[in-house]
Amino acid sequence: QVHLVESGGGVVQPGRSLRLSCAASGFTFSSYDINWVRQAPGKGLEWVAVISYDGSKKDYGDSVKGRFIISRDNSKNTLYLQVNSLRVEDTAVYYCTALGYWGQGTLVTVSS
Amino acid sequence: DVVMTQSPLSLPVTLGQPASISCRSSQSLAHSDGNTYLDWFQQRPGQSPRRLIYMVSNRDSGVPDRFSGSGSGTDFTLKISRVEAEDVGVYYCMQGTHWPPWTFGQGTKVEIK
Repeated sequence: QVHLVESGGGVVQPGRSLRLSCAASGFTFSSYDINWVRQAPGKGLEWVAVISYDGSKKDYGDSVKGRFIISRDNSKNTLYLQVNSLRVEDTAVYYCTALGYWGQGTLVTVSS
Repeated sequence: DVVMTQSPLSLPVTLGQPASISCRSSQSLAHSDGNTYLDWFQQRPGQSPRRLIYMVSNRDSGVPDRFSGSGSGTDFTLKISRVEAEDVGVYYCMQGTHWPPWTFGQGTKVEIK
């Protein structure tokens, strides 16, 4: 079955960076677009970014455009999200999602 | 961007009774390919979201048949025919017709009276 496992979250200071990862299994990873969606504590869902199956196309939400970079390594069945210039308002659980499946999420906390 | 508006935002229900959640979009979700990309997600307390319904009315594998989706254009509904205790959580609609961005409703919290 489809399995998505995020990692890389943590507590960071404003302005710093992190790289989030999402390890996928149970489907042909290289055939599907993958998304990142985040959820601030006690809040709703916000779409963050998408990458096409081959990595050639990427799109970002307005709130992260220019600061976050989505990428993938199809040889490793892994999705990445480089999160730069972090702000307090980026504090959230970050989920990867594909084919209707979601991982368990990784928490990013931005605090001084 | 397409704005998704859910109602109600809080829904107290009695076990065994039906429940209904409305989702309205700021523009039609009918795609030029003939499909309508409107999904419903359930998020139980402390868990990740889980997709229940895709393209308006198609139940995902393993989803109980007490859940059903309907609608067209800008008006959509998720119905639970008989609410069970495990249905407690927050429900979100999401549109994937006019992307980017994919946009979600605010969420509807379902609780037992």
